[in-house]
Amino acid sequence: GDSVTQTEGLVTLTEGLPVMLNCTYQTAYSTFLFWYVQHLNEAPKLLLKSSTDNKRTEHQGFHATLHKSSSSFHLQKSSAQLSDSALYYCALSDRTNTGKLTFGDGTVLTVKP
Amino acid sequence: GGIITQTPKFLIGQEGQKLTLKCQQNFNHDTMYWYRQDSGKGLRLIYYSITENDLQKGDLSEGYDASREKKSSFSLTVTSAQKNEMAVFLCASSPTGTEVFFGKGTRLTVV
Repeated sequence: GDSVTQTEGLVTLTEGLPVMLNCTYQTAYSTFLFWYVQHLNEAPKLLLKSSTDNKRTEHQGFHATLHKSSSSFHLQKSSAQLSDSALYYCALSDRTNTGKLTFGDGTVLTVKP
Repeated sequence: GGIITQTPKFLIGQEGQKLTLKCQQNFNHDTMYWYRQDSGKGLRLIYYSITENDLQKGDLSEGYDASREKKSSFSLTVTSAQKNEMAVFLCASSPTGTEVFFGKGTRLTVV
């Protein structure tokens, strides 16, 4: 079945440093990859999505490129801000297009001054 | 824009109790979902519904029932609460399957 792996459970950075959160996946089908962000006591919100191989997707200063050859969709930002502190989920949609998502375990990003 | 409203925000139950969580969306989306969020375990799908009166089991459906009596509402029942259980239950909806919108969740504690 489908699976998503986020290798870092917790990432702590100093403000201004670059961010990279890892995401790899396994699926037998071509589908969408997503990054969701959840701030404390808030709903998870869509940050990025992509289904196109080797195309960079950007939103709110974050970017990710889907690489089907390596089954990866890493999230990056050039300079972390205090407000980026949140829980980040990588997710994969299933082939039926019903919106069923398989999530990774999540990465808690903490940005310190 | 729309909103997903989950009630209650906090739910404290006793072991063995049947507990019901409610969700309303005003996006007019066809598909709705219930996910369970455990610390360090990501979100896992419990039930989903692609239209009114439709129910589909997710990977974590055992111990839960769901009901979709109206397009705008989707409820989840914990059939027998487990002692020391703590989790957040997230309701979500989607128009197309390529973007899913979430509510803020109901935090369940079982004593």
